[in-house]
Amino acid sequence: ETGVTQTPRHLVMGMTNKKSLKCEQHLGHNAMYWYKQSAKKPLELMFVYNFKEQTENNSVPSRFSPECPNSSHLFLHLHTLQPEDSALYLCASSQRGLAVTNEQFFGPGTRLTVL
Amino acid sequence: GENVEQHPSTLSVQEGDSAVIKCTYSDSASNYFPWYKQELGKRPQLIIDIRSNVGEKKDQRIAVTLNKTAKHFSLHITETQPEDSAVYFCAASRKDTGRRALTFGSGTRLQVQP
Repeated sequence: ETGVTQTPRHLVMGMTNKKSLKCEQHLGHNAMYWYKQSAKKPLELMFVYNFKEQTENNSVPSRFSPECPNSSHLFLHLHTLQPEDSALYLCASSQRGLAVTNEQFFGPGTRLTVL
Repeated sequence: GENVEQHPSTLSVQEGDSAVIKCTYSDSASNYFPWYKQELGKRPQLIIDIRSNVGEKKDQRIAVTLNKTAKHFSLHITETQPEDSAVYFCAASRKDTGRRALTFGSGTRLQVQP
């Protein structure tokens, strides 16, 4: 599959569960991102990784734990979430550098429901 | 850090009319301003972008204008069609560092009435 893929597409979990979201990009990009999209904050940046190094963490609670093992894969590990964490979680990738546009390509998202 | 304000939050127009969405930014060093379109149930996709060395850019029915002095930029859609109905996000970033992520506005839900 081309572009940016995310699995699972839908996830329902209890507050005591541990789950992980997976993102994979097939575009040869060097940066990956996690966003949270909800009615309250439409596109809220959570984490940024450049060349596998986390460069931004926008005050995200520790119950969200990102992992970037290589420039093509990004995970978001979830544990002891709250109902207000229910949202669409979007992954994106881009080629970052001075000579490129930094256009971000988004995945289809994971619709997360926390019961 | 950068702060991007977007207005209006919702916009309803008749088919064939024009639509304008406005954004302001706070970081005078920002120099890259993309616009993303997100259709219902789909992922955001880039539709047009502009860099700070350009005042206006057009692509068929869409155009973006930038006023660096006032720190605002706008998206203009002419001859709107029902398929233009979507949520539109503006964003800003600094390209010179190559390390800063995009800061998005809060989105505008555009509804084109047939």
